[in-house]
Amino acid sequence: QKEVEQDPGPLSVPEGAIVSLNCTYSNSAFQYFMWYRQYSRKGPELLMYTYSSGNKEDGRFTAQVDKSSKYISLFIRDSQPSDSATYLCAMSATGNQFYFGTGTSLTVIP
Amino acid sequence: GAVVSQHPSWVICKSGTSVKIECRSLDFQATTMFWYRQFPKQSLMLMATSNEGSKATYEQGVEKDKFLINHASLTLSTLTVTSAHPEDSSFYICSARYKIVGYGYTFGSGTRLTVV
Repeated sequence: QKEVEQDPGPLSVPEGAIVSLNCTYSNSAFQYFMWYRQYSRKGPELLMYTYSSGNKEDGRFTAQVDKSSKYISLFIRDSQPSDSATYLCAMSATGNQFYFGTGTSLTVIP
Repeated sequence: GAVVSQHPSWVICKSGTSVKIECRSLDFQATTMFWYRQFPKQSLMLMATSNEGSKATYEQGVEKDKFLINHASLTLSTLTVTSAHPEDSSFYICSARYKIVGYGYTFGSGTRLTVV
């Protein structure tokens, strides 16, 4: 079983839609959770960082962590064509080695 | 803040030659640098972890003699792919750890290596 599972998509939505991206994990010791956005042929850039459980909001982005279900989500409100990218979840128990999901490819159609 | 500059962004080399990839932390000291490779439509796979001034720790299945990592200073880490072969063609990305609440990672922009 992989440490982190993420639906690769592709996911295609119309502009303005709410996007929900999810990851599940198996290691109950994970407590650091991150979401990265990666444009084609570029390195990942950090979008959201969450420690332990709960929600975190930053502009149009909301990250949720449900440790009891071993499930994390990233919501994008009012999606824009510029949000079209691959979104990677990453998580860690200690803050040392992070485990990445395979990434979800998102296309926002104007 | 917390920017990592990675060069080159792409490189084409002949089979059997060596290629060096550099990652520099521009505005912080990167005591720990991670090197990943990423195949198309796949996730980042950790190759090795390097700490400044010490030998890198390689993940299982990664040939340390083929992928030479040097982390000689707090702002520079290099990955040298020695005797490159077409199967080494991939996207290589470095990542440096910095401290926020707990630890965060910042990534270089990646290097697309094509071995012909």
